[in-house]
Amino acid sequence: DVKVTQSSRYLVKRTGEKVFLECVQDMDHENMFWYRQDPGLGLRLIYFSYDVKMKEKGDIPEGYSVSREKKERFSLILESASTNQTSMYLCASSGRFRTSFNTGELFFGEGSRLTVL
Amino acid sequence: SQELEQSPQSLIVQEGKNLTINCTSSKTLYGLYWYKQKYGEGLIFLMMLQKGGEEKSHEKITAKLDEKKQQSSLHITASQPSHAGIYLCGAGLVKDSGGYQKVTFGTGTKLQVIP
Repeated sequence: DVKVTQSSRYLVKRTGEKVFLECVQDMDHENMFWYRQDPGLGLRLIYFSYDVKMKEKGDIPEGYSVSREKKERFSLILESASTNQTSMYLCASSGRFRTSFNTGELFFGEGSRLTVL
Repeated sequence: SQELEQSPQSLIVQEGKNLTINCTSSKTLYGLYWYKQKYGEGLIFLMMLQKGGEEKSHEKITAKLDEKKQQSSLHITASQPSHAGIYLCGAGLVKDSGGYQKVTFGTGTKLQVIP
């Protein structure tokens, strides 16, 4: 079974603190994604990565950065946390999208609920 | 603004009734995913559609991707309380021969099924 593991299910941080959210997958997937989920807004893509050391901005990258030094690990960094970054953060991974064999299904972690005070 | 629009935003149906959720994009969709999320839990993969006109079923849930690959509908037949949750459509909006894709999601549809 594919496993996507997110460190810390719940975090409480203070405004201005630096926050690291870690995500590890065990299926040798090329693609990894960070989303945030807020009521009424669905899942919004923050950043994604399609290879080691490669990263692409999603729809809402402001205030965030990412790191992918190893294939299995994708980190989301909040350099200076703000209250509007209080949210549920979801990491996902997928293999290369192809029309056969690999459907490109995204496998999600359980989420990290971040509260910034 | 979201690249994927879902409608309706919320839905309350009586148990046993049929319902449809729509997902629309102004761009061609390279891979359309449907996920379900139960309140407070993770996302459950339902199905993925790739080809125009494709239709797939999973138990009492059927999803179809239109010929132009810009709209998908999810249909639940004879709804049950276990169908309650948030339904999310997601899509790959950048196609690359190497399989690199940006996957974005709609705003979700919250479904309640009244016994």
